[in-house]
Amino acid sequence: GAGVSQSPSNKVTEKGKDVELRCDPISGHTALYWYRQSLGQGLEFLIYFQGNSAPDKSGLPSDRFSAERTGGSVSTLTIQRTQQEDSAVYLCASSLVSRGGDTQYFGPGTRLTVL
Amino acid sequence: GEDVEQSLFLSVREGDSSVINCTYTDSSSTYLYWYKQEPGAGLQLLTYIFSNMDMKQDQRLTVLLNKKDKHLSLRIADTQTGDSAIYFCAIFTGGYNKLIFGAGTRLAVHP
Repeated sequence: GAGVSQSPSNKVTEKGKDVELRCDPISGHTALYWYRQSLGQGLEFLIYFQGNSAPDKSGLPSDRFSAERTGGSVSTLTIQRTQQEDSAVYLCASSLVSRGGDTQYFGPGTRLTVL
Repeated sequence: GEDVEQSLFLSVREGDSSVINCTYTDSSSTYLYWYKQEPGAGLQLLTYIFSNMDMKQDQRLTVLLNKKDKHLSLRIADTQTGDSAIYFCAIFTGGYNKLIFGAGTRLAVHP
């Protein structure tokens, strides 16, 4: 079966522009996570969706970041008015059910470069 | 808050065993994971261990967990050049719906 997919694989944008990153989780997985991997910061949790529950947005670094998950499947991470410090690899993961032990499977990531 | 620490670099000779270590602070950690990341690729799940286990073996991989010392290790037997990658330790805690990652250990395998 297909794994987690993300698009685009690479995105180069100019400072101040908005970007949208897409994640298609594994079919049937109810939990979806976004993480960010950047030099000096390692892997950081951004946001988590579980079914129809309100998302856990505790990891979003600023109000320029938002995410939605439509129909309990595809998710879009939006970054408004991008800054150079937003340059990173954005990773999406999904798991069957969000509880301890339900393994998170990661997509290949979107490398965002803000010029 | 929760913290996961790993040494940043390990160099081994091909055919030797590699041991990558990880320490964590959250005693409520329920599941502990090892992920592998090759250059330009995403995170690949290698193995995981439940917090009520001391050891788990999966082919060339052996995971050891010392809950008292909050220490996790990954041993790779007969290390090959294809094992060169960054290895991340990650913990899933009961109170948070997320993985907490270490900084990653870069494993370099040389002839």
